[in-house]
Order: sequence, then C-alpha cells, then structure tokens
Amino acid sequence: ETGVTQSPTHLIKTRGQQVTLRCSSQSGHNTVSWYQQALGQGPQFIFQYYREEENGRGNFPPRFSGLQFPNYSSELNVNALELDDSALYLCASSPWWSSAGAYNEQFFGPGTRLTVL
Amino acid sequence: ILNVEQSPQSLHVQEGDSTNFTCSFPSSNFYALHWYRWETAKSPEALFVMTLNGDEKKKGRISATLNTKEGYSYLYIKGSQPEDSATYLCAFGGYTGGFKTIFGAGTRLFVKA
Repeated sequence: ETGVTQSPTHLIKTRGQQVTLRCSSQSGHNTVSWYQQALGQGPQFIFQYYREEENGRGNFPPRFSGLQFPNYSSELNVNALELDDSALYLCASSPWWSSAGAYNEQFFGPGTRLTVL
Repeated sequence: ILNVEQSPQSLHVQEGDSTNFTCSFPSSNFYALHWYRWETAKSPEALFVMTLNGDEKKKGRISATLNTKEGYSYLYIKGSQPEDSATYLCAFGGYTGGFKTIFGAGTRLFVKA
C-alpha cells in the first residue's frame, strides 16, 4: 500500500510568483486536507476536499486555491507569493465513509518546504 | 475564532517517568479530537481519534481521555522511553460553515536515557 506522497520536496520562489504543490493520496482515500506549518506552530488548516469539492476552509486568502482530481490526487496553488508564505506545506488523506466518520485519522505526506525570497 | 491550546509547550523527563499533556478545544460544533505524534524528519503519525464524551483510548504505553462537555483531552505516556521523544499534536475536528481541523501548537517531549 503506497502512502501519501508530495512533490516537490523543496522549492524556492520569489515574491509575487505562483507555485503549485502536488499530493498523491493513499490508495482508497477520497478526502484530502492541506496544511501550512510555520516554525514553532502547529499545522494551520488551509482547506479540505472531498470527492473533488472543497468542503471546508481555514482562514487563508483566496490566492490559496486547490484542486482534487478523479484519482484523488490534489494540488495546492498559491498566487502572488508573499514572504510569509514560506513554510512547510503538508497534505493529509483520509477515508470518509459518512459524516459520522468524517474525522477518520489522517495520513500525512512528508511535506513540501517552500521558501519565498 | 476556533482555538486549540496545548500545555505544556515542552517537557523534559527521565527515562521511566510517566507524563501527561493537556489539549483544550472548543466544546461546540465538535466532531472529533485527534492526537498525533510527530518525530523530527518524519510525517505526523496518528495515535488516536476520539469522538464520544468519556472516550478512553490506549495503544501500548500511551493512552488518552476525552471530555467534550468541558473541552479538554489528556494524553498519558507511562514509563517514557527515549524513542517517545517527539512533538505531540492534538487536533480538533469540527463544523463551522464547513469542516475544519484545527491543530494546537504541540507539546515537545524530550526523554533522557
């Protein structure tokens, strides 16, 4: 069983650029969440996708957007990068059987380290 | 604004000590409370998911309790070992205009041999 994978591992961008981060969910998982983790903080929830629809969003501006594909892989896109966007970006997948089981444990990828200069 | 607080921020113990951490979370719009262990250079690993008030979960030397009415959860480690050294994160799963998972900042545990 393949775990959650993310690409790239590291990325350096300059302010104002756009970036796309990718995540491949664990087999059989149809829910994916994206998090931003800055130094010294816990992961901050960006959004969650279930069956290609966004069904939850944290306090992030619209320049953070996402996609989930039919094979349940996903992307996080960030436009107009700012210095404060420098962080570790984690994706996590989970199975979702019903709203009662909406919060099954999440399986995390290794993360993408984004540096904005 | 949903807020999840964890205490202490860090903890240094000797091998064999028992320890516990606290997670405080909103008591409304609650779906689940998660505990994760995050070792350096690895991905966060799920320990427990708890959904019902009064839930108690156990995995080896680690156990957790849940009180949804007052909004807190405790994680206990019995007989700490050096390999328990990690950051322990709790996360509140709830619904406020959409599903949200809110993590605390974590408790960093250092176990000295």
